Amino acid sequence: DAGVIQSPRHEVTEMGQEVTLRCKPISGHDYLFWYRQTMMRGLELLIYFNNNVPIDDSGMPEDRFSAKMPNASFSTLKIQPSEPRDSAVYFCASTGGTSPLHFGNGTRLTVT
Amino acid sequence: AQTVTQSQPEMSVQEAETVTLSCTYDTSESDYYLFWYKQPPSRQMILVIRQEAYKQQNATENRFSVNFQKAAKSFSLKISDSQLGDAAMYFCAYQNTYNFNKFYFGSGTKLNVKP
Repeated sequence: DAGVIQSPRHEVTEMGQEVTLRCKPISGHDYLFWYRQTMMRGLELLIYFNNNVPIDDSGMPEDRFSAKMPNASFSTLKIQPSEPRDSAVYFCASTGGTSPLHFGNGTRLTVT
Repeated sequence: AQTVTQSQPEMSVQEAETVTLSCTYDTSESDYYLFWYKQPPSRQMILVIRQEAYKQQNATENRFSVNFQKAAKSFSLKISDSQLGDAAMYFCAYQNTYNFNKFYFGSGTKLNVKP
């Protein structure tokens, strides 16, 4: 089991640029979550999917953020245009229901 | 709404000693799961231990054990024989059994281990 795989591990970009974060959940897991972690706010749930369908995106900060899950093995989180306040660590996590959340290693995003 | 509270932002322990991290939660449900996650400086979120609310017995994983007090809604983590590698942020988390997609995290406790 390869675990949840996220890429890239680090991303540095300039304000106004588009950023795309990628995630491959654990095979067989039907729930996928995107979290953002900052010192000020801790872990925030942005959006989650069930069977590739977005269920709750109430945590997405604003329209600049969008997420997709075109199939069971891939999801993206896109920020367009990016702003310095988007700098954070973004985690993807998956679960098969009654199993615990399994996290990826996170993407550290820095927007200058 | 469910909330998870970790009242100790930071703690320190001497290597080989025992330390207890506190967590309380608020819920009206009778069936749920509780977790402790460890986040070392590498930032990976690692599951340390899991407790099912319907089980009376406290969960144990090697040097890690919990004290689950359901009536008090308390879920503390005890680390015995602390090692330098235990230094990390520790997050307490709650999962609703019926809406198991709902996970709630505490704000974390930073554990320092002194040699």
